[in-house]
Amino acid sequence: GESVGLHLPTLSVQEGDNSIINCAYSNSASDYFIWYKQESGKGPQFIIDIRSNMDKRQGQRVTVLLNKTVKHLSLQIAATQPGDSAVYFCAVPGGTSYGKLTFGQGTILTVHP
Amino acid sequence: NAGVMQNPRHLVRRRGQEARLRCSPMKGHSHVYWYRQLPEEGLKFMVYLQKENIIDESGMPKERFSAEFPKEGPSILRIQQVVRGDSAAYFCASSPPHNSPLHFGNGTRLTVT
Repeated sequence: GESVGLHLPTLSVQEGDNSIINCAYSNSASDYFIWYKQESGKGPQFIIDIRSNMDKRQGQRVTVLLNKTVKHLSLQIAATQPGDSAVYFCAVPGGTSYGKLTFGQGTILTVHP
Repeated sequence: NAGVMQNPRHLVRRRGQEARLRCSPMKGHSHVYWYRQLPEEGLKFMVYLQKENIIDESGMPKERFSAEFPKEGPSILRIQQVVRGDSAAYFCASSPPHNSPLHFGNGTRLTVT
């Protein structure tokens, strides 16, 4: 089955720095990838997604990069703010439903003012 | 536009009791998913439902757990004869009929004493 892993369980940055959170996936047939942010006591919040026919997608202050050759995904957050402190998960759909997701373990991002 | 609503937010049950978790999807969403999150872990898929149908229950434990999404009313996740290992956060998510990112509720935190 699909497995999704993250390289670092925690990441601490200073306010204003750029943050990079990495994720590896195992199934080379995966064609859709999603990043979620989860704040304490809340449910996951969609940040950005990318399909396998792209290698980069930008949102507001966030960029997702996809390297299908090495099955690696990264989330870049520009000018990180204290409000970005949360757990970040990458997720990959399994099966025919985009809602049946396999989540990584998560990276805890802490932003110091 | 109300998001995915889950209640109760917190639920305490003694071993052997039943737990009922409710989820009202976003307006216009007909697909409901339930996920479980154990402490310090990522979310794990449990079940995928559409109105009056269970589409995929491959993540549900074989015993004591059941889910429904009736024609009228919220989706219900029921856990009978709860045990301490059932203590977790249970998240509901919904999506419209076409493949789209999931929208999650803020979860029900079940504690079994």
